[in-house]
Amino acid sequence: AQTVTQSQPEMSVQEAETVTLSCTYDTSENNYYLFWYKQPPSRQMILVIRQEAYKQQNATENRFSVNFQKAAKSFSLKISDSQLGDTAMYFCAFMNTGNQFYFGTGTSLTVIP
Amino acid sequence: GAVVSQHPSWVICKSGTSVKIECRSLDFQATTMFWYRQFPKQSLMLMATSNEGSKATYEQGVEKDKFLINHASLTLSTLTVTSAHPEDSSFYICSARDRGTSSYNSPLHFGNGTRLTVT
Repeated sequence: AQTVTQSQPEMSVQEAETVTLSCTYDTSENNYYLFWYKQPPSRQMILVIRQEAYKQQNATENRFSVNFQKAAKSFSLKISDSQLGDTAMYFCAFMNTGNQFYFGTGTSLTVIP
Repeated sequence: GAVVSQHPSWVICKSGTSVKIECRSLDFQATTMFWYRQFPKQSLMLMATSNEGSKATYEQGVEKDKFLINHASLTLSTLTVTSAHPEDSSFYICSARDRGTSSYNSPLHFGNGTRLTVT
């Protein structure tokens, strides 16, 4: 079974600063997809960014980027120029070849004005 | 973008009654939908995978007779919590993937969730 680990239950960052959320996973598969989802207080799950395991280039979406280290099974999320609206729970997710998603335990991020 | 509608958004029921939660994909077809349960400040736990026209696949430890799933069409899946008890109180979220996109990189689209309280 796949496991996804987020070792930082809570983090905070000053507005306009940069923060990195960590995620590691365990799998024996070679092809898979990784995602970061954001869950604000409304509890709506919002896709932030995704990464294909077979691509070496790190995905980037505006202020959000990832550092994907396949050998280390690491998939961290970097948020640049943090904004108050970035305050939320962030979940790292793994999708296997059976199209099933598995989520990490989440990191609660607070952006401080 | 793809929209998933989940209804109701919150429900209170008495112990021993059954509650049905609907999950609809509004502008796409979904052969597969997923049901998750989330406790406060915790992650999403996959309960079952709902397959259109066939039986749902339940995760280990999830009672299929307790949590009935029906996926009768390409746009609707329902989760029925039967004989609900207070320990079933939780936040339930459904999700779906657009069958029209490449399954390997298409993300999950989530409903807004249902907060169930059993008294």
